[in-house]
This record gives sequence, C-alpha cells and structure tokens, in this order.
Amino acid sequence: GAGVSQSPRYKVAKRGQDVALRCDPISGHVSLFWYQQALGQGPEFLTYFQNEAQLDKSGLPSDRFFAERPEGSVSTLKIQRTQQEDSAVYLCASSLSFPGDSSGNTIYFGEGSWLTVV
Amino acid sequence: KNQVEQSPQSLIILEGKNCTLQCNYTVSPFSNLRWYKQDTGRGPVSLTIMTFSENTKSNGRYTATLDADTKQSSLHITASQLSDSASYICVVSPFTGGGNKLTFGTGTQLKVEL
Repeated sequence: GAGVSQSPRYKVAKRGQDVALRCDPISGHVSLFWYQQALGQGPEFLTYFQNEAQLDKSGLPSDRFFAERPEGSVSTLKIQRTQQEDSAVYLCASSLSFPGDSSGNTIYFGEGSWLTVV
Repeated sequence: KNQVEQSPQSLIILEGKNCTLQCNYTVSPFSNLRWYKQDTGRGPVSLTIMTFSENTKSNGRYTATLDADTKQSSLHITASQLSDSASYICVVSPFTGGGNKLTFGTGTQLKVEL
C-alpha cells in the first residue's frame, strides 16, 4: 500500500484479554516505531526497530507489552493481560532511514489502532 | 518537565485569519524539528522538517521557523481554512546517531470557525 497500514482500527478487549496489533509499514522503510497516544496527549514512544532489530524498547510500560518485527517488514505489538490503563490509540510509524539522520527524512504515521479495555 | 512545550494549548480563529503556534524545546543536541498536523481520529501527517541548520521551511500555507540558539520554533498558518482545524504537534529528534528518542509536544488544538 501507499501508506502505513494498521489493523485492527478499533479493538474492544475485556480486562485480562490478550491483544495483538498489526502494522504494515511502507515498503522498504528501515525504521519502524510504535507510539501510545492517550486522549488529548501527544504520542509517547514505546519501541523502535531498525529492520528486524529492536534497538530501543525503553518506552514499553511493562513486561506485558511485547513487539516484534521478525522479517524487517510487518510488526506486531502484543499486549498481554490487558488492563484499563492500556486504553489508548497505538500508532505505528515508519521512515526510510533512521530518525537521527540529519537529512531529516519524513516519518509516516498510520491511522492508529484504538484500543478500549473494558 | 516536558522537553517540548507548545503554546497556546488551544486556539480559536476565524476563517481567513492568520495564526502562529509556538514550540519551545530543551532537547540538546538535536538533529531536526518536525511539525505534524493531526486530525481528530487520524494519524499525524508531516507538515515540515527542519534540520538544525535551517531557519525556515514552507509547505503551502504553512511556514515553520527555527531558532536553534533560543531553542524555539513557530508554525505560521496563513489564510486559515476550516480544514485547518486539527492538533498541531511539534516533534524534536535528538542527534543520537541512529537511536530513537523522538520527543513530542502535547500539541496545540486549533479550531477555525466561520
């Protein structure tokens, strides 16, 4: 596809349920990011991949959160034993190069996966 | 204290008017500063990207400025349209040589009215 695609767009999960959120980045993009955005807030960093390597996972809030990108393209964010505070929009983004590149390459965001834990 | 602060938090203007949004940051050293537009329920869309050596960058009716000495950036919107109603987010990328610590501001919520 032409842009970053995320699925599902909306997910309602019962507390304690496991969820998996998928991200299809733009083809050929090296960098992939996951962000969590609470209502009325800016996105908060979760994790970063450069190809298949997870270079930074310092933003993952707990060990219930796990992300992978096994073949350097599609990525999955998994949340185990969901809790109400996990309710948020989960944004995936990709870029051709890495974000510290001084050329300032564009980072493209998906539309997000809206997770509501009830 | 947030490393990227934006002001005002919200703004209402009449269609056709100009406005300027502010971004102050403390991230240092930094590689580039980006402005994004985020419509309600949508993902952020890139408006401008400026490296530390650039002072201004335009994209249609959007003009961003950057003063790396004072660590301030602004986004000026001219001849506003109803479709400009959105959240505008300032994002700073530190110069970490390949790592990732994009720092987002909390955004300015702009509403353009008739």
